[in-house]
Amino acid sequence: RKEVEQDPGPFNVPEGATVAFNCTYSNSASQSFFWYRQDCRKEPKLLMSVYSSGNEDGRFTAQLNRASQYISLLIRDSKLSDSATYLCVVGPNNAGNMLTFGGGTRLMVKP
Amino acid sequence: NAGVMQNPRHLVRRRGQEARLRCSPMKGHSHVYWYRQLPEEGLKFMVYLQKENIIDESGMPKERFSAEFPKEGPSILRIQQVVRGDSAAYFCASSPSHIAQREAFFGQGTRLTVV
Repeated sequence: RKEVEQDPGPFNVPEGATVAFNCTYSNSASQSFFWYRQDCRKEPKLLMSVYSSGNEDGRFTAQLNRASQYISLLIRDSKLSDSATYLCVVGPNNAGNMLTFGGGTRLMVKP
Repeated sequence: NAGVMQNPRHLVRRRGQEARLRCSPMKGHSHVYWYRQLPEEGLKFMVYLQKENIIDESGMPKERFSAEFPKEGPSILRIQQVVRGDSAAYFCASSPSHIAQREAFFGQGTRLTVV
């Protein structure tokens, strides 16, 4: 079983739609959780951290369910510019101090 | 304040040659991480270094791969006798501390193609 699992997609949605991505992780000792965004052939960039209380940043809402080892990202009012791959990231890994990246979920927002 | 700088951006090597990838961390960052991303896959951790020390190399292949972060100069990821399977994007990230890379910033990556 992969340490961090995501549905690879692609998710094809029209502009203005609401879309949700899910991610599960296997290491119950994980303590930090993030969503990164990666555009085609570019480097990953931190989108937001994820807290147990949930957090919101504009159109983006992230939630963490420790009991189910599940993380979600909700994007409201999708824009064309939201088209990218969204990486679920968890730390530390089994070795103790690294981030583990999921394979990513690809989002394509269409006009 | 320049970000994480990686060079070259693109590198083509023939099978059996050596590849040297460079990473200059952000100013003030002393922790460097190397990740590899194979086509259509997620990033895989390779190695974590601080100045002059390898802290965690659990993700490095046992042979042909080595990394260093000298007191002066960039971090170097070295791949000897490259094979086609080494073709990938290699990303470097830096952070001011190691705590789950909260402040990690990635360079633009080096795309290695082995022909």
